[in-house]
Amino acid sequence: SQQGEEDPQALSIQEGENATMNCSYKTSINNLQWYRQNSGRGLVHLILIRSNEREKHSGRLRVTLDTSKKSSSLLITASRAADTASYFCATDELWGAQKLVFGQGTRLTINP
Amino acid sequence: DAMVIQNPRYQVTQFGKPVTLSCSQTLNHNVMYWYQQKSSQAPKLLFHYYDKDFNNEADTPDNFQSRRPNTSFCFLDIRSPGLGDAAMYLCATSTGTGDLEQYFGPGTRLTVT
Repeated sequence: SQQGEEDPQALSIQEGENATMNCSYKTSINNLQWYRQNSGRGLVHLILIRSNEREKHSGRLRVTLDTSKKSSSLLITASRAADTASYFCATDELWGAQKLVFGQGTRLTINP
Repeated sequence: DAMVIQNPRYQVTQFGKPVTLSCSQTLNHNVMYWYQQKSSQAPKLLFHYYDKDFNNEADTPDNFQSRRPNTSFCFLDIRSPGLGDAAMYLCATSTGTGDLEQYFGPGTRLTVT
């Protein structure tokens, strides 16, 4: 299966600013998930949004999903230095056989 | 705490010398996955097990094999590592039902000399 696309590939902002990352995918999905990866570590699940949902919040995270455009966005508000990481979207495809399709990732750097 | 454990965290092997990476989980999840991740790239799924049912990705080289002797353990065998196999190898688990949220181990960084 083909991987989704994320943009931007890299994003650098000042601490306290909001960060927005976008993800596009290709097929019908059950849900879309966002993961964070700190340098040299495994991925950590952040938030999941189902195909029948349009928006979801978790703490400083806000995720939107537009299934008609096959796209999602992740907003991190009031960014902190600890948010510096790579962020990946991943889709659970409708006939995906227990596996996720990961996007290429956005490398986020928060400058103090 | 329930978790996914990978050993070793760093592995150095010689060109062509077989190497085995291990993964264990205390989550009692049905599905275990192996990913290869190269620098600044997305994780690439190599294969996964649903219980004992093995599912290989079409583009996974024959050089990569896997074993799952029981629910808790899964191994990645690289039969003849090449320089291009140097990467981070990530193990993950999921329940295999519902939302398919995946739980990742910390990864094993493989260096091939």
